[in-house]
Amino acid sequence: DAGVIQSPRHEVTEMGQEVTLRCKPISGHDYLFWYRQTMMRGLELLIYFNNNVPIDDSGMPEDRFSAKMPNASFSTLKIQPSEPRDSAVYFCASSLEARRAGNTIYFGEGSWLTVV
Amino acid sequence: AQKITQTQPGMFVQEKEAVTLDCTYDTSDPSYGLFWYKQPSSGEMIFLIYQGSYDQQNATEGRYSLNFQKARKSANLVISASQLGDSAMYFCAMSDNTNAGKSTFGDGTTLTVKP
Repeated sequence: DAGVIQSPRHEVTEMGQEVTLRCKPISGHDYLFWYRQTMMRGLELLIYFNNNVPIDDSGMPEDRFSAKMPNASFSTLKIQPSEPRDSAVYFCASSLEARRAGNTIYFGEGSWLTVV
Repeated sequence: AQKITQTQPGMFVQEKEAVTLDCTYDTSDPSYGLFWYKQPSSGEMIFLIYQGSYDQQNATEGRYSLNFQKARKSANLVISASQLGDSAMYFCAMSDNTNAGKSTFGDGTTLTVKP
């Protein structure tokens, strides 16, 4: 079975440019998560969706960040304009609807973003 | 609110020995799940093992076992017969019904296996 698929795997961009990260969750999964990982702040949840609807975006750092999920098989995380402090690994992850507590979250391989 | 605490920033273990990575958690929800993930230097996050709060027995997956002590709110990961490939960062995480699918992660423990 295909896992969570992210693209691009690596991106280097100049400050001020728009960055779009893409994610295809595991088929049949109802939850989709966007995480950011840095050395300084560890793993942070940015936003998550349930059945394509954003549930909690309190982790989105500022208005420069936006995320969409137009259908069950695709999501984007956009940064506009990008800044050097946005350099991080961005993970997309997905999970099934929980029948009881304990959604096992499956991660993509991450998108390594460097803003210069 | 959910909280996960991993008190060991780094751990060393000799190859072929067992090692325990500590994790304590806090939640007011009686129904929750606990997870461990492995992140090798290549960066991907790999799901290792899951324990449900109502599970009667400790979870095991191959060389991984979860020492679940509910009264102490601890969910330690035990890796038996360590291998060099076990060197990685390990994250403890939890989710509960109150937070509708959202998981909280600890800060991680870096494990180094010595030959």
